[in-house]
Amino acid sequence: GQNIDQPTEMTATEGAIVQINCTYQTSGFNGLFWYQQHAGEAPTFLSYNVLDGLEEKGRFSSFLSRSKGYSYLLLKELQMKDSASYLCAVLDSNYQLIWGAGTKLIIKP
Amino acid sequence: DVKVTQSSRYLVKRTGEKVFLECVQDMDHENMFWYRQDPGLGLRLIYFSYDVKMKEKGDIPEGYSVSREKKERFSLILESASTNQTSMYLCASSPGVDNSPLHFGNGTRLTVT
Repeated sequence: GQNIDQPTEMTATEGAIVQINCTYQTSGFNGLFWYQQHAGEAPTFLSYNVLDGLEEKGRFSSFLSRSKGYSYLLLKELQMKDSASYLCAVLDSNYQLIWGAGTKLIIKP
Repeated sequence: DVKVTQSSRYLVKRTGEKVFLECVQDMDHENMFWYRQDPGLGLRLIYFSYDVKMKEKGDIPEGYSVSREKKERFSLILESASTNQTSMYLCASSPGVDNSPLHFGNGTRLTVT
């Protein structure tokens, strides 16, 4: 079957760095997405990786290793507004999105 | 900015009622999707549509149907609501390119009593 694993919850301190991991086993691979979802709001797109390596976008970076079936989202200089759930999703060989259950990130002052 | 609007944020319905959830997008996107989101589970795809009057079953279509009469509007119908359909329902749209990110509405929290 197809599976995406991410930690259920993580806690970090304001100003610090946090890495949210995502491992996947899917039927084929056509890219991996990260979305941010604040409580009670819509998920919003953060990043897309299809080739191995690191993609940097301001305070947020996303890394992909296709051979390991692994990605991470790196958040630097954490702010209180980064408290949210982070969803990992993989586009399989049929271009269908397979979603992880999300990681709830709690930022403490 | 793409806007995806869901008609209701909160709905409370009784078991057996017919329920309509409406979704409208304003960016002429070809693709529209209905997901449900439950605690501890990833988003699960109910139905999707790649064009007007076209629909495809997702992973959990049982108990649901959809309608897409106009490009901008995608409706989810619960023919006879049941308590196990209590959930957050998210509508999304994307342009007709396979790896385009989805644009989501704010969701409808449906409670069936």
